[in-house]
Amino acid sequence: GQQLNQSPQSMFIQEGEDVSMNCTSSSIFNTWLWYKQDPGEGPVLLIALYKAGELTSNGRLTAQFGITRKDSFLNISASIPSDVGIYFCAGLNSGGSNYKLTFGKGTLLTVNP
Amino acid sequence: NAGVMQNPRHLVRRRGQEARLRCSPMKGHSHVYWYRQLPEEGLKFMVYLQKENIIDESGMPKERFSAEFPKEGPSILRIQQVVRGDSAAYFCASSPAPGGGSDGYTFGSGTRLTVV
Repeated sequence: GQQLNQSPQSMFIQEGEDVSMNCTSSSIFNTWLWYKQDPGEGPVLLIALYKAGELTSNGRLTAQFGITRKDSFLNISASIPSDVGIYFCAGLNSGGSNYKLTFGKGTLLTVNP
Repeated sequence: NAGVMQNPRHLVRRRGQEARLRCSPMKGHSHVYWYRQLPEEGLKFMVYLQKENIIDESGMPKERFSAEFPKEGPSILRIQQVVRGDSAAYFCASSPAPGGGSDGYTFGSGTRLTVV
């Protein structure tokens, strides 16, 4: 089946630092999504990317959809303590199963105040 | 405007018992998806349902697991004769259109199943 390789697995940073994480795939996805999951909660959508090469921002978050449609990155600028959580990339399939999300294994972000 | 509601939030079952997980989609959403998350893993697709129809159950184990989304009432994920390996967080998501459209899915807070 399809797999997403997400890195890094975890990050420990100081408040105010910038963060970057990425996902790569051997398969093409038509849509890339970035989610954040807080402990004991479900994933919450942060950014959705629909076109190859697209660069989208949401506040301090910036994400890009790779030109090859096989990768994406997420940047968080000027991190704050509430950025702590697990960040997941997800690709939405193309074609007949365009409802099925494939998730990466997540990046656990810890922000030291 | 309530989000996707899942209950119970936590469920403990002994091996061999049945587990029933409920999901009420967002108002106006007729597409429901179930995902399973094992510890330190991403979510894995299980099943996609529309009202009264199973569209894709390719991610669901063929034995002991079943799902339904009746005309009235919540979607139910049912696990019969649970085993320890069924312990996981089960998430439901809903959308107004297949694949979520421009907003993607909306996920519920999940049901954490523990089999003892």
